[in-house]
Amino acid sequence: AQSVSQHNHHVILSEAASLELGCNYSYGGTVNLFWYVQYPGQHLQLLLKYFSGDPLVKGIKGFEAEFIKSKFSFNLRKPSVQWSDTAEYFCAVNPPHYNQGGKLIFGQGTELSVKP
Amino acid sequence: DVKVTQSSRYLVKRTGEKVFLECVQDMDHENMFWYRQDPGLGLRLIYFSYDVKMKEKGDIPEGYSVSREKKERFSLILESASTNQTSMYLCASSISGRAVETQYFGPGTRLLVL
Repeated sequence: AQSVSQHNHHVILSEAASLELGCNYSYGGTVNLFWYVQYPGQHLQLLLKYFSGDPLVKGIKGFEAEFIKSKFSFNLRKPSVQWSDTAEYFCAVNPPHYNQGGKLIFGQGTELSVKP
Repeated sequence: DVKVTQSSRYLVKRTGEKVFLECVQDMDHENMFWYRQDPGLGLRLIYFSYDVKMKEKGDIPEGYSVSREKKERFSLILESASTNQTSMYLCASSISGRAVETQYFGPGTRLLVL
């Protein structure tokens, strides 16, 4: 079945460590890609998105993601994490058959815990 | 700032009850969405609406219906609640149906069906 996969379910890092969260999707054609974040007790909010142009996308709070079309991947990165980055991170894809309406398919989520 | 509010943060209902979850957005957005969020499954789309009185099924519509009588309000209805509908329900809205638009989420309603 076509899907969005986040391989890491729970990642634990120390402050200042580098972060990379994987996201792969299985849809062909033109896709739009998103990373959303849910901080403890807060609403889900957008971190960054890609729909065209430079495949390296910069988002809020120092996060970036790289779209690699040949690998069907959109991995999220941050060079140095902080305790305040502790949250659950969701990758989402707007696949070609969902282009109308802006509907999204979400990955399973990755819980990030940053130790101070 | 966009504000999406949901009528309840926590709700406890009994099997067989009819349950209404309400969502209101204050930014004149065209599109509204209902998801359920379950551990290990991420968010799954139940229904969405692209205009008043217009709705479309998402990936898991069974056991649910929706109503959108006014642009700002989108209701999710569990016709006869069952224990497998215990979940976190998230409402979202976006300014239009363009695929690149950001979705803005409410705080969620955690529903427990006994």
